[in-house]
Amino acid sequence: DAKTTQPNSMESNEEEPVHLPCNHSTISGTDYIHWYRQLPSQGPEYVIHGLTSNVNNRMASLAIAEDRKSSTLILHRATLRDAAVYYCILQLYNNNDMRFGAGTRLTVKP
Amino acid sequence: GAVVSQHPSWVICKSGTSVKIECRSLDFQATTMFWYRQFPKQSLMLMATSNEGSKATYEQGVEKDKFLINHASLTLSTLTVTSAHPEDSSFYICSGKAGAVREQYFGPGTRLTVT
Repeated sequence: DAKTTQPNSMESNEEEPVHLPCNHSTISGTDYIHWYRQLPSQGPEYVIHGLTSNVNNRMASLAIAEDRKSSTLILHRATLRDAAVYYCILQLYNNNDMRFGAGTRLTVKP
Repeated sequence: GAVVSQHPSWVICKSGTSVKIECRSLDFQATTMFWYRQFPKQSLMLMATSNEGSKATYEQGVEKDKFLINHASLTLSTLTVTSAHPEDSSFYICSGKAGAVREQYFGPGTRLTVT
């Protein structure tokens, strides 16, 4: 399975943008890039996903590098409620499985 | 987003007994459901995948006779931990996806403590 690499932790200030990076240098042409986040003692929450083009939704934006070997999740204005572990996951085109790595723990400072 | 519920949210059971955890998709038909386990300070580990009406596919190292999964309808999957031991104490999380939709929607999790 293609793997992802994320920083263990990041810090942000409230109301500032946050850019969470993810490297996936072994991604195949048909792998989808997914982002989920998990608050303490809760199940993960879907954030966004994409294949080749950048994607925007009400929660975040996903910027995918032209060679698809990396991507960045962008939270436009961090709030305290955005403090969570963010997981970047590759999903095979013909496979439903999601395999979670260690993720990035985002701390948001007031 | 779509909603998935789990029941119970927490359970304590004695060693050697069995416990059943329910996972329901409330506003969509979950053609595929997944069960994960998460130990403290660790990431989620996929245990098994099930398609409605079919037998579950278990990940390597997960005992299918110990973790019984039933996905009898498009809105309900159950995980039964049989002959539970203290090492089975964990946070169990289910998720569901509908058809060809790519994203999964997760339940709030069930914390199991085996004494």
